[in-house]
Amino acid sequence: NAGVTQTPKFQVLKTGQSMTLQCAQDMNHEYMSWYRQDPGMGLRLIHYSVGAGITDQGEVPNGYNVSRSTTEDFPLRLLSAAPSQTSVYFCASSTGQNNSPLHFGNGTRLTVT
Amino acid sequence: GDSVTQMEGPVTLSEEAFLTINCTYTATGYPSLFWYVQYPGEGLQLLLKATKADDKGSNKGFEATYRKETTSFHLEKGSVQVSDSAVYFCALQVGGSQGNLIFGKGTKLSVKP
Repeated sequence: NAGVTQTPKFQVLKTGQSMTLQCAQDMNHEYMSWYRQDPGMGLRLIHYSVGAGITDQGEVPNGYNVSRSTTEDFPLRLLSAAPSQTSVYFCASSTGQNNSPLHFGNGTRLTVT
Repeated sequence: GDSVTQMEGPVTLSEEAFLTINCTYTATGYPSLFWYVQYPGEGLQLLLKATKADDKGSNKGFEATYRKETTSFHLEKGSVQVSDSAVYFCALQVGGSQGNLIFGKGTKLSVKP
């Protein structure tokens, strides 16, 4: 019963490097999203998707790209990492229906030096 | 815009003490309300939810009642345990939000034996 799987768990990047955070879910959920968690800021929505081929911006999308080619996968790309992107990143999924709760992965801790 | 305000932490209690974590919200329409819990090193897990006014969500001894008149959804537990030490997030989902949740900043609870 895997649920939402995120890889890697930890990553250190140098400023300007690019990378992709992976997220996969096995619950056939239509809705998937990426949040970042920073001290004193709670969780802020980066990007979300309501189905394969559909993505949209959240509250803090700058510096991040996403795509949704399959229902299962929703990778998050950092094009040119900056120290301000040091954070813990969470992927989440749900059925997308009203009142449906989010199911979260265990997070990726990213440090940009 | 829609928002959630939680009491500032950290909160430190002795085992078997009574817990209240305040949460108020601002939202258009009639949101669904959620409490999530995050244990150290893990992602967020749904603790309880309420979908309409006067509903009471409950789970693992925790309760919260959806109060429309005071726009509140305070989390309570009668007798906390050391294992309840975690960060607690209040969140809302507005109808038509396509599954997006808006989170409070979180309240860290530490329970001492």
